[in-house]
This record gives sequence, structure tokens and C-alpha cells, in this order.
Amino acid sequence: DIVMTQSPDSLAVSLGERATINCKSSQSVLYSSNNKNYLAWYQQKPGQPPKLLIYWASIRESGVPDRFSGSGSGTDFTLTISSLQAEDVAVYYCQQYYSHPQAFGQGTKLEIK
Amino acid sequence: QVQLVESGGGVVQPGRSLRLSCAASGFTFSSYGMHWVRQAPGKGLEWVAVISYDGSNKFYADSVKGRFTISRDNSKNTLYLQMSSLRAEDTAVYYCGKDPTAISTGSSGWLDHWGQGTLVTVSS
Repeated sequence: DIVMTQSPDSLAVSLGERATINCKSSQSVLYSSNNKNYLAWYQQKPGQPPKLLIYWASIRESGVPDRFSGSGSGTDFTLTISSLQAEDVAVYYCQQYYSHPQAFGQGTKLEIK
Repeated sequence: QVQLVESGGGVVQPGRSLRLSCAASGFTFSSYGMHWVRQAPGKGLEWVAVISYDGSNKFYADSVKGRFTISRDNSKNTLYLQMSSLRAEDTAVYYCGKDPTAISTGSSGWLDHWGQGTLVTVSS
């Protein structure tokens, strides 16, 4: 089974500054036949269900602000928030859908410094 | 708009069974795979199970395999999770989620829409 590990577990960033969250998979989630990375990112605010931000490692879901971006390939991925807004305070999760069972990272809690 | 509404949660004793439902609307339910994901109180997300558009492919997390069964009734636009031999560690909010693909080949995708969740508490 693929294990997803995020770093850091928590992060405090000043408003307007860049926030970077890392995600590492225990084996590659890059499918060679289509050159796609089977990785998604979600945002979960307190008391709410998760919300999809990014899929295929770098494709932003419709309606997601362009300050959110995803990058990486193979086993190492990054979610970047280019200019942190107050409404971005949340827990962020990566997820692999390369193989079953699917798996989420443990989450990264993002706060305002 | 896509709407997913879970129901069936509650307090149940260890070893007993419970069935969760997820009523779907706003999309062609019979064309998409569907997932269950759970979240223990104060903890992270745990993927539980997925089912293909027609119910022919099902996959489970190791932690629930043999105890939980995912199913769907496309005539009722409803997804189910039958949970048996429940344990304290199954206590969680259970979310249903829509896959953006049919899962016809057995490979599933991400969750593009989520319900609000239903709380299951396993306690004596």
C-alpha cells in the first residue's frame, strides 16, 4: 500500500506571504503510460467537509483561486499558496489515487502568524 | 448543483451493525463512481471504500475489508455503506464523495464533491 506523508504537520505564515506544504508518497504515483501524477489536494475548514483544490497534481479545480498551485512529480509534491489570505486558514490534505487502497496524507494545519 | 446527503449515523454498540446512506442529486448518479471517506474526531481523513458506476467494481481499505460493504441503488440515486462487527475505532464522521469518473476500468479518481457527513459513534 502507498503511504502519504506531509510536512510540516503545522505551519504559520503571515498574511500576504507564501505558504508551502509538502507531500511525499512511499512509491511513485506517476503513471508512465499517460505521464500523469495521480495526486490531489484538498482544503478542510473547521466544521466543513473537505473541498477539492487540485487534481492530477497541478490542475486547479474550477473556482479555486489562482493563488493555489500544485507541483511535483513521482513521489514529491508541493501545494503552494502564493499570497496567504485569512480565509485560507484550514487543514490541507494530499491524496493518492494511483492504486487501491487510496490514501490521504496526515494533514497540514495552516494558521496565520 | 451536485448534492450529497448522508444519513443513518448514530450511536451503536461494539459488534453491532449499521447502514449508512448517501442520497445524490444534481448529476447523473448512475454514470459515476462513489466513495466513502471517514474522519475520526480530531483526526485526519481515512479513505474507506469506492464503488464503480454500475456496482461491478468495489475496493476497500484494509481496516474495513470483510466488515464493511459498499453498494448502490442507481434507481434510487443512493449509495450505501453496510457496516458490521463495529469497533470503537470505527467512530468517525463518514463522508460520501463523488468520483469524476465511472471507474469502469477499476482505477478510481479523486473526490470532486463531498457530502456534509454523518457521525457514527461506536460505544457501549
